[in-house]
Amino acid sequence: GNSVTQMEGPVTLSEEAFLTINCTYTATGYPSLFWYVQYPGEGLQLLLKATKADDKGSNKGFEATYRKETTSFHLEKGSVQVSDSAVYFCALSDHLGAGGTSYGKLTFGQGTILTVHP
Amino acid sequence: DADVTQTPRNRITKTGKRIMLECSQTKGHDRMYWYRQDPGLGLRLIYYSFDVKDINKGEISDGYSVSRQAQAKFSLSLESAIPNQTALYFCATSDLTSNNEQFFGPGTRLTVL
Repeated sequence: GNSVTQMEGPVTLSEEAFLTINCTYTATGYPSLFWYVQYPGEGLQLLLKATKADDKGSNKGFEATYRKETTSFHLEKGSVQVSDSAVYFCALSDHLGAGGTSYGKLTFGQGTILTVHP
Repeated sequence: DADVTQTPRNRITKTGKRIMLECSQTKGHDRMYWYRQDPGLGLRLIYYSFDVKDINKGEISDGYSVSRQAQAKFSLSLESAIPNQTALYFCATSDLTSNNEQFFGPGTRLTVL
């Protein structure tokens, strides 16, 4: 079955530091990949996504590249801010082949807590 | 107004009680989902529904049931709550045009004593 593995946290950084959160996946077919962010007391919201190999998703200074050869989708940001403190989830959704139906079910990693200090 | 709403936001109950968590959406999406979130485990799918007449079990459906009363409403019930069902519960929606992006409600924090 599908699975997603994220680097264990929590991650603590100083403001303006470089961020990497590793994510690797196991899936059949050609999944779409996502990063979701959960700010304190809120639900999850989509941060970025990539739907095919070599695609790069980006948003709010965050980037992640869909690497099929290494089955990875690592999240990076060049300079983090205090406001980036949150829980980050890597996820994949299933896609069936031509003629099939994508049921859109998401499989999540365990989440990585990021804390950024001033 | 929020697109996906959940009620209640917080609930404390006792072992053996029946509990219903409700989710409503104004996004017009056909697909709705219920997840639970536990520390260190990410989100796990409980049930999902592709339209009013379609209900499917997720990976952890035991001890839960759902009802899709209308396109916009999807309720999760715990028939007889137990302490290990203490968790944060999220409802989400999507449709074919959202390219599998799911939109989440704010969550319900449930504590079973």
